Amino acid sequence: EAGVAQSPRYKIIEKRQSVAFWCNPISGHATLYWYQQILGQGPKLLIQFQNNGVVDDSQLPKDRFSAERLKGVDSTLKIQPAKLEDSAVYLCASSFGRVNEKLFFGSGTQLSVL
Amino acid sequence: QQQVKQSPQSLIVQKGGISIINCAYENTAFDYFPWYQQFPGKGPALLIAIRPDVSEKKEGRFTISFNKSAKQFSLHIMDSQPGDSATYFCAASRSGNKLVFGAGTILRVKS
Repeated sequence: EAGVAQSPRYKIIEKRQSVAFWCNPISGHATLYWYQQILGQGPKLLIQFQNNGVVDDSQLPKDRFSAERLKGVDSTLKIQPAKLEDSAVYLCASSFGRVNEKLFFGSGTQLSVL
Repeated sequence: QQQVKQSPQSLIVQKGGISIINCAYENTAFDYFPWYQQFPGKGPALLIAIRPDVSEKKEGRFTISFNKSAKQFSLHIMDSQPGDSATYFCAASRSGNKLVFGAGTILRVKS
């Protein structure tokens, strides 16, 4: 079974630039999550989709972050404009069945904002 | 009320020893407590999970001990191996709502 695919693996940008991350979940997984993991901290949920609908985006900084999941499969997360404090690993995860249980994570995109 | 506090921040254990990582929570409504293992450059992977209706769950060398009255749970790794060296995160959630993760424990097993 293929895992959660994410790209790019690394991204370096200047502050105020924009950036986008892509995620393809495990086939058949209805729930997709985007997490932000700052160095030395645990992952923090940014947004959760159930199929192509948003379930929880309470911790998404909506003035600069946006996400979509077209057709209920793959998803993109965008930051515009980026700030220095956005430097982190952005993890995508998916799950099947009970929500927020048994999450399968991708390897993440490491973002450095200079 | 949503925090999960994890300790220690880092841990060094000799090969064959027992690794113990602790977590404490405040929200008594939490009803699902997983542990995730993360290797460098990889995403976290679910290791083992427990619900508050049991006090202990064991899977191979990994055991979760759960103390509902103290609002604490811990991960025990028996016969620790160098391949267990990783960062471990505890987490908690309530009724299928979002997982709240601890800050992580970096485990190093010396051979």
